[in-house]
Amino acid sequence: QVQLQESGPGLVRPSETLSLTCTVSGGSISDYFWSWIRQPPGKGLEWIGYIYYRGSTKYNPSLKSRLIMSVDTSKNQFSLKLNSVTAADTAVYYCAREGATNQYGPIDPWGQGTLVTVSS
Amino acid sequence: DIQMTQSPSTLSASVGDRVTITCRASQTLNSWLAWYQQKPGKAPKLLIYKASVLESGVPSRFSGSGSGTEFTLTISTLQPDDFATYYCHQYQGYSGTFGQGTKVEIK
Repeated sequence: QVQLQESGPGLVRPSETLSLTCTVSGGSISDYFWSWIRQPPGKGLEWIGYIYYRGSTKYNPSLKSRLIMSVDTSKNQFSLKLNSVTAADTAVYYCAREGATNQYGPIDPWGQGTLVTVSS
Repeated sequence: DIQMTQSPSTLSASVGDRVTITCRASQTLNSWLAWYQQKPGKAPKLLIYKASVLESGVPSRFSGSGSGTEFTLTISTLQPDDFATYYCHQYQGYSGTFGQGTKVEIK
């Protein structure tokens, strides 16, 4: 059973870069789409984007200019970097798998989520 | 970009009630629509995908329907464990958008 675990700093200073890594266990990162979703405290879900295991990406247009995703198949990990953060980027960040083998689709499973606070 | 409008934002209901949540898309979806349940402090859980396909292990009281731009999630007989927030999610065209969410509260 595939499981995902987010890791990274819980506190980021304004204007700096938010960096998170997701480690996939119980299965290979190959042949799937891997995504990031975030949820500001008390608010709804926002799709951030995905990276395919071969490295192609698709980002939310509202975040595209500040966002870079990468994948390391040797470590079964994928990562997110969001630069120039502000308080509006404070959220629980989830990593997840989208779809089935080589097929884009619904989001399942999800990581447990990690709260990232942007504050000085 | 495809926008999703979900209604209502809050729904008060009693155990045993039939509950319906609606999601409208700004463009026609080829049934690439999923529904999730989220409880406080937890990650969302996939309930339904491809508009009407029940995820394995999800109780049969949950059902999804719709096509084109209008989709619904129905809980046939509300159970105590069903009080939660529900989100629709479109995944057409290799991108995603969520609805704003519907909180199902105890009446």
